[in-house]
Amino acid sequence: AQSVTQLDSQVPVFEEAPVELRCNYSSSVSVYLFWYVQYPNQGLQLLLKYLSGSTLVKGINGFEAEFNKSQTSFHLRKPSVHISDTAEYFCAVSAIRGYQKVTFGIGTKLQVIP
Amino acid sequence: KAGVTQTPRYLIKTRGQQVTLSCSPISGHRSVSWYQQTPGQGLQFLFEYFSETQRNKGNFPGRFSGRQFSNSRSEMNVSTLELGDSALYLCASSQGPESSYNSPLHFGNGTRLTVT
Repeated sequence: AQSVTQLDSQVPVFEEAPVELRCNYSSSVSVYLFWYVQYPNQGLQLLLKYLSGSTLVKGINGFEAEFNKSQTSFHLRKPSVHISDTAEYFCAVSAIRGYQKVTFGIGTKLQVIP
Repeated sequence: KAGVTQTPRYLIKTRGQQVTLSCSPISGHRSVSWYQQTPGQGLQFLFEYFSETQRNKGNFPGRFSGRQFSNSRSEMNVSTLELGDSALYLCASSQGPESSYNSPLHFGNGTRLTVT
């Protein structure tokens, strides 16, 4: 079984400021990790994914995330946010072996303030 | 390549009725998953189909059912609707079993169901 905890339900941040959205996971097996973004009235889009290799993963729109196995975390960061980054962000995990459904966190709403 | 298409976009139904939602995956994708999204609950997994077989099922009552056709298109059905079934229902496709562990999900824009 696996679970995902997104520690902040809402994060307000001023435009051009840095942001970090936190994600911790729990799993009895090794996992793949994902961040998705959902804009209003749309489905989810993949931002980035960690499969293996370098623990720092770069995604679209200037986002990056760092996998920390010892802390079971996969926090999402952006050095300078734009108004257009206002959206809901979801962290997700799936087991590497033995098919398991993709498990999503509850989501973090990022509100960029002009 | 066309994305995942869900129809209809909006539905309003009355308690006790039933509803069928449709999902057409990306061409070549054989896996289709369904999620229910509600405020405060995030995305709750309903079920996943691959090659017309249900491979995984979430913790939803039997009123929620689905199926997949030979062309990979999928439908989900909710019978005896309750007020609490009001939600955004999202469909997602991915390539298939060998790659499904690390293949990202591609989502449709969802069907917003309102039960009155």
